[in-house]
Amino acid sequence: GEDVEQSLFLSVREGDSSVINCTYTDSSSTYLYWYKQEPGAGLQLLTYIFSNMDMKQDQRLTVLLNKKDKHLSLRIADTQTGDSAIYFCAESIANDYKLSFGAGTTVTVRA
Amino acid sequence: DTGVSQDPRHKITKRGQNVTFRCDPISEHNRLYWYRQTLGQGPEFLTYFQNEAQLEKSRLLSDRFSAERPKGSFSTLEIQRTEQGDSAMYLCASSLRTSGGNEQFFGPGTRLTVL
Repeated sequence: GEDVEQSLFLSVREGDSSVINCTYTDSSSTYLYWYKQEPGAGLQLLTYIFSNMDMKQDQRLTVLLNKKDKHLSLRIADTQTGDSAIYFCAESIANDYKLSFGAGTTVTVRA
Repeated sequence: DTGVSQDPRHKITKRGQNVTFRCDPISEHNRLYWYRQTLGQGPEFLTYFQNEAQLEKSRLLSDRFSAERPKGSFSTLEIQRTEQGDSAMYLCASSLRTSGGNEQFFGPGTRLTVL
């Protein structure tokens, strides 16, 4: 199957780290993605990881992939108010170009 | 702006009317995708083009929905005889076929409200 699951809400204090978790069921997933959506806007691609990697870091963002447990996480360091948004995890499978998305995690950054 | 653009941004229509949305992808991208997003959910795949060929359609895409990409550039999504259940955000994305991660870049979406 292509089910992708995420926790629905996360509240974090400004300056702390945020960790958003995602689980997926299809073991043949090739790429896993993180998108950010602000109110009324489209989706912004933040980062992605190939399934043969364990970790990818890009400035304040760190992606960890545990392929055995089919678990993906996104860590945002030094969370800012501008990081408040909905974050979507998505997967794609080799030779199948569509993305399957989770329902999104709403991140609220409090002062 | 060289990103994906969509027109219109908002559409309000009465049940039974036909609507058409347009998507202009990033210029060098040969793949174009349509997704639908309802409140509180992630986007769901509708259909996908590689150049002008429509290669896959979701079961979500009923006979009332049709999509075209006639010259392999912009695409249109038409919904005939709209129903209230069609109310959603319709998102377009594009990507470039490479050996990399097939990153899909999304437009701002067209929000459809069917009264």
